[in-house]
Order: sequence, then C-alpha cells, then structure tokens
Amino acid sequence: DTGVSQNPRHKITKRGQNVTFRCDPISEHNRLYWYRQTLGQGPEFLTYFQNEAQLEKSRLLSDRFSAERPKGSFSTLEIQRTEQGDSAMYLCASSLEGGVDEQFFGPGTRLTVL
Amino acid sequence: QQQVKQSPQSLIVQKGGISIINCAYENTAFDYFPWYQQFPGKGPALLIAIRPDVSEKKEGRFTISFNKSAKQFSLHIMDSQPGDSATYFCAASIKTARQLTFGSGTQLTVLP
Repeated sequence: DTGVSQNPRHKITKRGQNVTFRCDPISEHNRLYWYRQTLGQGPEFLTYFQNEAQLEKSRLLSDRFSAERPKGSFSTLEIQRTEQGDSAMYLCASSLEGGVDEQFFGPGTRLTVL
Repeated sequence: QQQVKQSPQSLIVQKGGISIINCAYENTAFDYFPWYQQFPGKGPALLIAIRPDVSEKKEGRFTISFNKSAKQFSLHIMDSQPGDSATYFCAASIKTARQLTFGSGTQLTVLP
C-alpha cells in the first residue's frame, strides 16, 4: 500500500452515462497525476496538478474528460458521455515537489463501459 | 509516437536465473529512468530508478544498466524468484515535464 487511495475500485456503466473517480494522494504530496492504462499496455499520461493548479493536459484528454483538485488535496476525474473506448484502468499517482520525481501510484479504478 | 520501446514482451526464467529486460528511448531530453513492477489488479510500484549521470545502479537483486550514447537502459533481476512474477515497465521523464512515458511492459514468469 503506497498511501494513495482511489475510489471506487471498479465501475461498470452504460455507454452515455457520466462517471466520476476520486483520488486521495499521500497527504504531504503536492503533485498529482492521472494516467490511463489499457490491457497489455503501459500507463499513459492524462493530466497533472501542482497543488490546485492543473498544469498539463495530454491530447488523450478529450473534451469529455475533466479533472479537478480543489484545495490541492484530493482530485476527481469525470468522464461525460462515456464510450466503450473509455474502458480502462484509471491510475492516480502523487509525488513531492523538490523530491526525486518518485511517483507513487494508487491501486487504480477499473472502468467498464457496456 | 512511442518514445520508449521495451522488450521482450514476455519472459520466462527458471528460479535462480537472471531476468533481463531492455528499453530504448528516443528523446534525448529524458533525464529520469524508473522501473515499475505491477501485479494483477494493483497499481505500478517503483522498483529502482536511475539518472543519466551514472551507468549503473544496484539495489538488492535489482540492477539498472544505462547506456547514454546508445539511448538504452536495462533491468537485471538476479536470483529470480517466483514472487518476482509480474509485469515490469520501464519509464522515462523530463524534469521540466514531470509526466512519465512508459514502455509497453514485460510479463515475467519465474518458474519454481
């Protein structure tokens, strides 16, 4: 257990529905990352926060995806109008500014879109 | 564009043997190279990492070898154990960009 928690661990939804995932980073970590991992592939970067500011967004993050990190603590990732192609593991990671870039990953949220 | 290429896709090793996984990168701006271990249903866990100012780093049974001129780095697992059976990912990042670019993974099976 790295100290990064994610909820829910599994989510099954129907195409067209909205879903929201939550990530709680290690408490003193001010950097938070979202990645997406499909079966048999490595994680792909989606977006990155430093404190409450969203500093980078990948081209993978379509307009249907939005992420927030109010107050610089937990973060949420929302997917609107889900598509079957959104089925994946959504991973959250956190790190400490001024550290050695070591990112600690949570257990992920497995999304299945029917 | 895949910036970190990892091989082999799968690897089977006998208990006590040496497991070797290779990665090659394209972006010369990368300056941090970690290896992650992932078990089914779990998030990736950092194993060991290296920066390009050293050619080798060893932590217990795990060693990273780094060849800056060839833009290649590899993970060596000595005395491989069945508990090492997992998927291993190499990754790279640029200090100013922060996000990790991962390889496609190697599924390691260590036979008892």
